[in-house]
Amino acid sequence: QVQLQESGPGLVKPSQTLSLTCSVSGASISSGSYYWTWIRQPPGKEPEWIGHIFTRGRTDYRSSLKSRVAISMYTSKNQFSLRLTSVTAADSAVYYCARMGCSTSDCYIRDGFAVWGQGTMVTVSS
Amino acid sequence: DIVMTQFPDSLAVSLGERATINCKSSQTVLYSSNNKNYLAWYQQKPGQPPKLLIYWASSRESEVPDRFSGSGSETDFTLTISSLQAEDVAVYYCQQYRNIPYNFGQGTKLEIK
Repeated sequence: QVQLQESGPGLVKPSQTLSLTCSVSGASISSGSYYWTWIRQPPGKEPEWIGHIFTRGRTDYRSSLKSRVAISMYTSKNQFSLRLTSVTAADSAVYYCARMGCSTSDCYIRDGFAVWGQGTMVTVSS
Repeated sequence: DIVMTQFPDSLAVSLGERATINCKSSQTVLYSSNNKNYLAWYQQKPGQPPKLLIYWASSRESEVPDRFSGSGSETDFTLTISSLQAEDVAVYYCQQYRNIPYNFGQGTKLEIK
């Protein structure tokens, strides 16, 4: 059974960089066809899709965050990561990693986010 | 971006009764080439991540009770809980995954009347 686990600092100062890691167990991050994804959820609000990295390395990001965000994959560690630069209080949220499954190798046919980490709260404050 | 709007924002239903949640997308989420609606429904309880209930608008995820069903196409979708159980109290979200960014609705809070 695939499991995801987020890790990283719970407190980040304004203007600094938020860095989180998602550790994957029960499956190889470089096998199959999946979107390995970061999603965040401010308290009391709906989840917000940040971006994803495809099994073969292609990335896509939310346009409003594109200048500040990077998602990378570390196949030897079976992990993927999120970096968000120049953070402000508006970036405070629970950050989740999640996996979207694909029925085709190009992910044209894909389904929902069936696997999620438990989430980690990140607060941006001085 | 495709904007997802749910209604109502909150809903109170008696145990054993039917609960219906609606979701509208600002653009179609249907791929005509494969006739699939790229629309999912999630259930979220406090302190937990969202749980996938329905994908492709009407396909139930494995181990999800059959009292949960999804319907609709293109821009209008519905999640139905046929007979509400106490454990169904949660916030429910729809989400489109046709176009990036994969936006969620604002959520519907479901309570027991």
